[in-house]
Amino acid sequence: QKEVEQNSGPLSVPEGAIASLNCTYSDRVSQSFFWYRQYSGKSPELIMSIYSNGDKEDGRFTAQLNKASQYVSLLIRDSQPSDSATYLCAGGQGGADGLTFGKGTHLIIQP
Amino acid sequence: DTAVSQTPKYLVTQMGNDKSIKCEQNLGHDTMYWYKQDSKKFLKIMFSYNNKELIINETVPNRFSPKSPDKAHLNLHINSLELGDSAVYFCASSQEYSNYGYTFGSGTRLTVV
Repeated sequence: QKEVEQNSGPLSVPEGAIASLNCTYSDRVSQSFFWYRQYSGKSPELIMSIYSNGDKEDGRFTAQLNKASQYVSLLIRDSQPSDSATYLCAGGQGGADGLTFGKGTHLIIQP
Repeated sequence: DTAVSQTPKYLVTQMGNDKSIKCEQNLGHDTMYWYKQDSKKFLKIMFSYNNKELIINETVPNRFSPKSPDKAHLNLHINSLELGDSAVYFCASSQEYSNYGYTFGSGTRLTVV
């Protein structure tokens, strides 16, 4: 059974610093990985996707994937209080097989 | 225009009742899903449908029955509701093999009393 592991936190980071979120997954079949942000009481919102080993940057966000180590991370540069949320890591094979989600990391950006 | 819409947003009901949640997407996606998020925020897949065909049916009690009349709609009917069914239920959609991830609906918070 596929599993996606995340540290539940809370992870507290001062405003303006880099927030680093990590995720490991248990299977070697998953090909696509995603980071979702979920504010309290709201639905998950896709912020990054990554399919190849290495880094992928989008604005203040950088996703990193290492398939050999089965490790995915998300870096948030210049953290803002509005980045405070739960970040969900998810992996899947594509198709209609569905994504497996981690339990999420609660990130708090301190002003 | 809401991309993935769910109704109702809140549902409070007594144990033993039967209830339905409806989901519609206007993104032209061919795959739709139901996920359950428990009180600890863990999102777990329940069902997936691709072009109206059931693809995934996780170990969910058979009191839960999904129905997809067309690829833009996926409904969830729950019979004989139990206290443990209380959770937030999210509908999501995607394009199969697109690797663009899901778009989630706003969720239905179900409370069974």
